[in-house]
Amino acid sequence: KAGVTQTPRYLIKTRGQQVTLSCSPISGHRSVSWYQQTPGQGLQFLFEYFSETQRNKGNFPGRFSGRQFSNSRSEMNVSTLELGDSALYLCASSLAGAGYGYTFGSGTRLTVV
Amino acid sequence: AQSVTQLDSQVPVFEEAPVELRCNYSSSVSVYLFWYVQYPNQGLQLLLKYLSGSTLVKGINGFEAEFNKSQTSFHLRKPSVHISDTAEYFCAVSEGSGGSNYKLTFGKGTLLTVNP
Repeated sequence: KAGVTQTPRYLIKTRGQQVTLSCSPISGHRSVSWYQQTPGQGLQFLFEYFSETQRNKGNFPGRFSGRQFSNSRSEMNVSTLELGDSALYLCASSLAGAGYGYTFGSGTRLTVV
Repeated sequence: AQSVTQLDSQVPVFEEAPVELRCNYSSSVSVYLFWYVQYPNQGLQLLLKYLSGSTLVKGINGFEAEFNKSQTSFHLRKPSVHISDTAEYFCAVSEGSGGSNYKLTFGKGTLLTVNP
């Protein structure tokens, strides 16, 4: 079956712009999570959605937001980009939560210049 | 709050040697434990998970891990490594109930380098 699909794979944006990243989960998975990966901070949890509801949110500023659609596809948005937002953004899906195991996508590499 | 410590940032080994990647966690409640592997320019792949039951968990690619509640550890082992096992390995924890069940807290990662 198809895995978790993230688009685009690579993105270059200018400081101050906004960006939207997309994630299509595995068919039947209703939980979608987002993580930020940087060399300095490692993997950090952004937020998790289940059936269009945000169930948990990490310690990121309000510039980071997300949503989930009725088909479980998810998007995350970062407004007013800063240089420090350059990172690999990973999406993961699960049937219902961590206990079922998360399957990760290949990520979107965002570079802010 | 839960936290994960991976004791070694880099582990170099020779091909066909055994390896152990160490992971300790801190949590005040019951936890789920995971090991993920990340190859260059890719996402994370689940190697194995511990939810409950037998403390010895077997995963893919010949890896196994043992949950030790008294030592709050979840070390990953493989009896004989291959060049293709070269990758970064992440230990992760999720609290077994409540809102924290919906997020993974990761360690900083261990870079395993297998040399010929």
